[in-house]
This record gives sequence, C-alpha cells and structure tokens, in this order.
Amino acid sequence: KAGVTQTPRYLIKTRGQQVTLSCSPISGHRSVSWYQQTPGQGLQFLFEYFSETQRNKGNFPGRFSGRQFSNSRSEMNVSTLELGDSALYLCASSIRRDSGEKAEAFFGQGTRLTVV
Amino acid sequence: TQLLEQSPQFLSIQEGENLTVYCNSSSVFSSLQWYRQEPGEGPVLLVTVVTGGEVKKLKRLTFQFGDARKDSSLHITAAQPGDTGLYLCAGENSSASKIIFGSGTRLSIRP
Repeated sequence: KAGVTQTPRYLIKTRGQQVTLSCSPISGHRSVSWYQQTPGQGLQFLFEYFSETQRNKGNFPGRFSGRQFSNSRSEMNVSTLELGDSALYLCASSIRRDSGEKAEAFFGQGTRLTVV
Repeated sequence: TQLLEQSPQFLSIQEGENLTVYCNSSSVFSSLQWYRQEPGEGPVLLVTVVTGGEVKKLKRLTFQFGDARKDSSLHITAAQPGDTGLYLCAGENSSASKIIFGSGTRLSIRP
C-alpha cells in the first residue's frame, strides 16, 4: 500500500510569487490535513479537507488556501509569498469515519519551500 | 484552546542510558499518538494509545497513556544513536474532529 505522496520535495520561490503543493493520500483515506513546520514554531495546523470540503482551519492568513478533489488528492496554494513562509509543509492523511471521528494521521515526506 | 505540552524540549544523553519524555494536557483525548521525525522527513507514526492506563511496548520503547487520558509518556531503554530525532505526541479530540500536536522533544543520543 503506497504511503502519502507529496510533490515536489523541494521548491525555491521568490517573494511575491505563488506556489501550489500537491498531496496524494493513502488509498482509502478521505481526510487530508496540511501543516507548516518551522524550527521556531513547530508543527502548525493549516487546514483539513474531507469530501472536497474544508472542515477545519488553523490561524493562517487568507494567502494560504487549499482544495481537495473527488479522488481525495489535495493541493495547497500560497499566494504572494513572504520570506517567513519558508518552511517544511507536511500533508497527513487519515481515515475519517462518517460519524466524524478521525483516526491517526499518516504523514508524507513534506515539501521544503524556500522563499528568497 | 487545547494544548499539549511536551517535556523536555531538548535532551542529549549517552548511548545506553534510559530516558523518559512527557506529554501533558489539561484536556481529555480520545486517543494519543507518538511520532518520530528525522530532519527533512515527515513524522512517522510509532504508536497509538486509546485506553486510559494503557501501556504499549515497541522493542526498547514503552508508551503509557494516563488513567485520565490527559497525559502520556514515552520511555526509551538503553538508547541507541538511531533513536535520535524529534519526538512528537498528538492528541485526538474525536468530538471536535481535531488532532493537536505537542511542540516536540528533540532527542540526541551520543555514541
């Protein structure tokens, strides 16, 4: 069974540009969550998608957005990049039972974004 | 706001020593996970504990969930350099459909 796949692994962008990151969850997993990880702030929750709908959202500005497709694959977009957006962006997939309960999260290897 | 506090934040010990990492909260969780993350990689799930008082063993690692399901500990016996990494605990609040991550414990094992 394939794990969570994130692409690209590494990315360098300049300030003001926008970027799109992709995440393919484990087959059968319908919930996808995105996290930003920096040395100073640790793992910060961005948002969660389930059934193509955003279900939970963290405290990030509107420049950070996402979406989920019918096959559960998800994309995350950051517009007008700032230097402080440099981080490891992690995607996690989990089984989300229809009752709303969520099981443990399995992470991808992450996308290392550097903004220069 | 639910918070998970991990301690210590940093730990550097000699190979062969034992250590314990703690994960504490004032909130009750329906389950709690422990992850280990190496630099540049995503966190890898080590274990999930669900029942209050539950103890799980994974080779030299022993995980315990507090009786009240508010805290957890990870004990490593005879630490090896391969145990080096960032250890994260994560609590699941099933009613809110949220997973809360602790700030992590960075462990370094000196050969």
